[in-house]
Amino acid sequence: DTAVSQTPKYLVTQMGNDKSIKCEQNLGHDTMYWYKQDSKKFLKIMFSYNNKELIINETVPNRFSPKSPDKAHLNLHINSLELGDSAVYFCASSQAQTGETYEQYFGPGTRLTVT
Amino acid sequence: QKEVEQDPGPLSVPEGAIVSLNCTYSNSAFQYFMWYRQYSRKGPELLMYTYSSGNKEDGRFTAQVDKSSKYISLFIRDSQPSDSATYLCAMSWVGGADGLTFGKGTHLIIQP
Repeated sequence: DTAVSQTPKYLVTQMGNDKSIKCEQNLGHDTMYWYKQDSKKFLKIMFSYNNKELIINETVPNRFSPKSPDKAHLNLHINSLELGDSAVYFCASSQAQTGETYEQYFGPGTRLTVT
Repeated sequence: QKEVEQDPGPLSVPEGAIVSLNCTYSNSAFQYFMWYRQYSRKGPELLMYTYSSGNKEDGRFTAQVDKSSKYISLFIRDSQPSDSATYLCAMSWVGGADGLTFGKGTHLIIQP
């Protein structure tokens, strides 16, 4: 009964490749997010999606594109991978639209290594 | 000045001690405050969530928010070796489905 799941758990690829990370939540939440955790463990928001609409996009290169086929899924596509993209990427979800709660629940993370 | 400041530690205490973890922030618009626990190579796990100023208790954990000082704390009573992890404070403001702003995390070690 995993709440927020991500695949794959580990991803090793070469510079210049294109890759995708998948995220699914079964919490019935209406908003999903992608965060990046760098080598110093600092977590930073990348995107959030609410009802298939992009809400925020924090100075992320346009090589990164989130895609949400439905409310329960938010996938992250990365084109032309660079060494600096190596990090752990976390998906999260929350029931934020009502404004009553901002608790976010995180997935287990995808460790991306670009060689 | 970073938006959220948190001492990275490591903070090492003996088992059974009371642990105090803290964050300061600069943006007075923050209204929602959270504490997450992250074990090595795992995702952040939500521990405590508070809105505005005040205290909230859940078992051995107490979260405290002082908006006038822009200071939040997490207290852990009767600390256990299983509490050893990185503790991240996070916060957000009212107005919609925003992402969280995190501190850099404090690495806590509970010595048996």
